[in-house]
Amino acid sequence: EAGVTQFPSHSVIEKGQTVTLRCDPISGHDNLYWYRRVMGKEIKFLLHFVKESKQDESGMPNNRFLAERTGGTYSTLKVQPAELEDSGVYFCASNERPNSPLHFGNGTRLTVT
Amino acid sequence: SQQGEEDPQALSIQEGENATMNCSYKTSINNLQWYRQNSGRGLVHLILIRSNEREKHSGRLRVTLDTSKKSSSLLITASRAADTASYFCATDGETSGSRLTFGEGTQLTVNP
Repeated sequence: EAGVTQFPSHSVIEKGQTVTLRCDPISGHDNLYWYRRVMGKEIKFLLHFVKESKQDESGMPNNRFLAERTGGTYSTLKVQPAELEDSGVYFCASNERPNSPLHFGNGTRLTVT
Repeated sequence: SQQGEEDPQALSIQEGENATMNCSYKTSINNLQWYRQNSGRGLVHLILIRSNEREKHSGRLRVTLDTSKKSSSLLITASRAADTASYFCATDGETSGSRLTFGEGTQLTVNP
């Protein structure tokens, strides 16, 4: 089975610009999560989709971040406008059932200059 | 306060030696998981231990959980150079739903 894929693998943008990250979960996984790791610190939860619905978005840092999962398949995470502190690695993960082990993508390394 | 703190932050050993990494957490948990991350790659699930379990084995991995001390340890026996990676513990609890709380990780280097 194909794993979780994320695109792009790297993105370098200037402060104030917009970036959209994409995640394709494992086929059939209803649960999709976004996490990020900033400046080598701990990996922090952003939000959780069940199919196309946002189950938990308590980790979204502010309204510059918008996540969507139209049709309950792939998801996008848009940052607009990007700020310097948004730099980090954004991971997407999926699983079949809540609380079962997560399958992670390789992440998108975002650099905001 | 930080949930899921690992120590040490970095560990360097020789091939064949055992590696022990520790994780502490602050709130009640349902499950504790360990993940490995190779540089530039995603996290890979290693093992899950439930709050009512005390020890679990998987191949060369041994995980212990002490809920009274809110701590867990991951032991890798007979380490190999390919075990070089970052290791993270992650917890989920009664109030966190499916949300995992990760620590900052332990960077393990196994020298050939």
